[in-house]
Amino acid sequence: QSVLTQPPSVSGAPGQRVTISCSGSSSNIGAGYDVHWYQQDRGTAPKLLIYINNNRPSGVPDRFSGSKSGTSASLAITGLQPEDEADYYCQSYDSRLSAVVFGGGTKLTVL
Amino acid sequence: EVQLVESGGGLVQPGRSLRLSCAASGFRFGDYAMSWFRQAPGKGLEWVGFVRNLAYGATTEYAASVVGRLTISRDDSKNIAYLQMNGLKTEDTAVYYCARTEYYSHFPFFDYWGQGNMVTVSS
Repeated sequence: QSVLTQPPSVSGAPGQRVTISCSGSSSNIGAGYDVHWYQQDRGTAPKLLIYINNNRPSGVPDRFSGSKSGTSASLAITGLQPEDEADYYCQSYDSRLSAVVFGGGTKLTVL
Repeated sequence: EVQLVESGGGLVQPGRSLRLSCAASGFRFGDYAMSWFRQAPGKGLEWVGFVRNLAYGATTEYAASVVGRLTISRDDSKNIAYLQMNGLKTEDTAVYYCARTEYYSHFPFFDYWGQGNMVTVSS
């Protein structure tokens, strides 16, 4: 059971917009700790996608955006493309556990 | 170009030890903390721990699940971070990743990752 809760899967057609939620609690996201997102293609290493809630590293398309409110965060992907098919993980910090925590991951399928 | 290359994985019997290495290049290794993660087959990412840079005493933090068995260290003269794994259990079977660690407001995120190294614990 992950500390941060993500839907196991989401899907969308090419060109559509999808969102992936990341639900936490008062000891992590709700305590003000930042949320970061990673993309992991099958069989490869994770890649930083969004950092500090809504910032994109160089090279990440602006189709990807992040937001945070209360005890939750979201990753939005607009203009879905086949290469977006991957697993996505949110990450934050938990003060009760004194640990870095991840969501369980969401598999995005592009139909 | 930032590169992180893990090595040292393989098949090991339960109860034995293994040391993974993470060789870094393309950045000033001494300026950064380094972290380790693992991903069991078909499962999600799990943080293992990190070692701060020497300016912060190369102190370490660990996930509760690995405290006392897994130890992270660094050799800045060689630009290598290590993960020493003792008393290995079958549930330690996973791909292990190292990552460069950035901080914002004193809390970490991970901007570059190694390719991963498989550790299989089995008799």
